[in-house]
Amino acid sequence: DAKTTQPTSMDCAEGRAANLPCNHSTISGNEYVYWYRQIHSQGPQYIIHGLKNNETNEMASLIITEDRKSSTLILPHATLRDTAVYYCIVRVASNAGNMLTFGGGTRLMVKP
Amino acid sequence: DGGITQSPKYLFRKEGQNVTLSCEQNLNHDAMYWYRQDPGQGLRLIYYSQIVNDFQKGDIAEGYSVSREKKESFPLTVTSAQKNPTAFYLCASKLGNEQFFGPGTRLTVL
Repeated sequence: DAKTTQPTSMDCAEGRAANLPCNHSTISGNEYVYWYRQIHSQGPQYIIHGLKNNETNEMASLIITEDRKSSTLILPHATLRDTAVYYCIVRVASNAGNMLTFGGGTRLMVKP
Repeated sequence: DGGITQSPKYLFRKEGQNVTLSCEQNLNHDAMYWYRQDPGQGLRLIYYSQIVNDFQKGDIAEGYSVSREKKESFPLTVTSAQKNPTAFYLCASKLGNEQFFGPGTRLTVL
């Protein structure tokens, strides 16, 4: 499995863009980058995923570098409800049911 | 509404007792998973099942057991052999590229 490296914590002002980086330098060509977030004591929530191209949905944008060794999750206008732990995950493509392996994540604190 | 339910939300047990955590989904997903989360840490995979009547050990299966008799249900039993069972337990199911998580059960062993 490709490992990911994320900062332990970040702060962001309410209304500003939150840019969360992730390094995945050992990613394989057929592995996707996934982002989940977990608000305290709740189950993780899917945010977005991508392979090579940048992706955007109603929650966030995902920017993947051309060499695919890193990516950035962008929350364009962070709100207090976006305070959570954000997990960057590289999907394992194997017979093991494509399970996701979670690391420590980045604790994002959105401040008023 | 479609989704994944886990019950109970909070569970207390005495040391040495087995306890079973419920996970039900009505999403018609084939694959289901159990994860454990300890404070300040990421999720670790306990067991997973890709189809009915089949399941595989994850990274930390020791002291746990599961069954998958029905597609909708994937109960997890925490046995007395689990050395440190107090944790937050999350169940998930998967369709395509996306995993859907339940609300979790917080187990405290006294």
